Amino acid sequence: TQLLEQSPQFLSIQEGENLTVYCNSSSVFSSLQWYRQEPGEGPVLLVTVVTGGEVKKLKRLTFQFGDARKDSSLHITAAQPGDTGLYLCAGDGTSYGKLTFGQGTILTVHP
Amino acid sequence: GAVVSQHPSWVICKSGTSVKIECRSLDFQATTMFWYRQFPKQSLMLMATSNEGSKATYEQGVEKDKFLINHASLTLSTLTVTSAHPEDSSFYICSASLLEGRSYNEQFFGPGTRLTVL
Repeated sequence: TQLLEQSPQFLSIQEGENLTVYCNSSSVFSSLQWYRQEPGEGPVLLVTVVTGGEVKKLKRLTFQFGDARKDSSLHITAAQPGDTGLYLCAGDGTSYGKLTFGQGTILTVHP
Repeated sequence: GAVVSQHPSWVICKSGTSVKIECRSLDFQATTMFWYRQFPKQSLMLMATSNEGSKATYEQGVEKDKFLINHASLTLSTLTVTSAHPEDSSFYICSASLLEGRSYNEQFFGPGTRLTVL
């Protein structure tokens, strides 16, 4: 069974601060996705990382995939209240198509 | 592109009744569809994997007779919660897997269905 450990579980910060969310596993993933979810809505795909060592940027969000494809991070620069939400990482591993989800990070950005 | 719809967005029903939730991929044909359940402020819990024209594969601990899944076409999957009870109240989310033209799997999620059983 593959596990994806996501941390921290909760993050409460002030507008303008930087933050990083981590996802770690002992298993190798062929790809890893990051999603953002708002209350009462479905998760929205932010990015997919595929290559070990890959870095992708989406405005103030930077996503990294570890060289060994076992871990990933999401870094947000100058967080804004609109970034508030549940962030989920999900890895595509041995069961093709079935994603392994991290526990999620609830981010609250205070104005 | 890659839009997934779910209907209804919310439903309230009496205990003992059955509820059907539809999941549609609007602008692509989905190789596989997935059904998840989510409790407040928690991650998604996979219930079952559904492929068109074949029986769904259920995760351990999920009752297949309780949660009936039908995948009639490459764009439609349905989840029926049979004889619903208050403990079945939850947020149910479907996703559709987009593989065509890609070397890796991505799942696109529906907006979810809030089920409340009285």
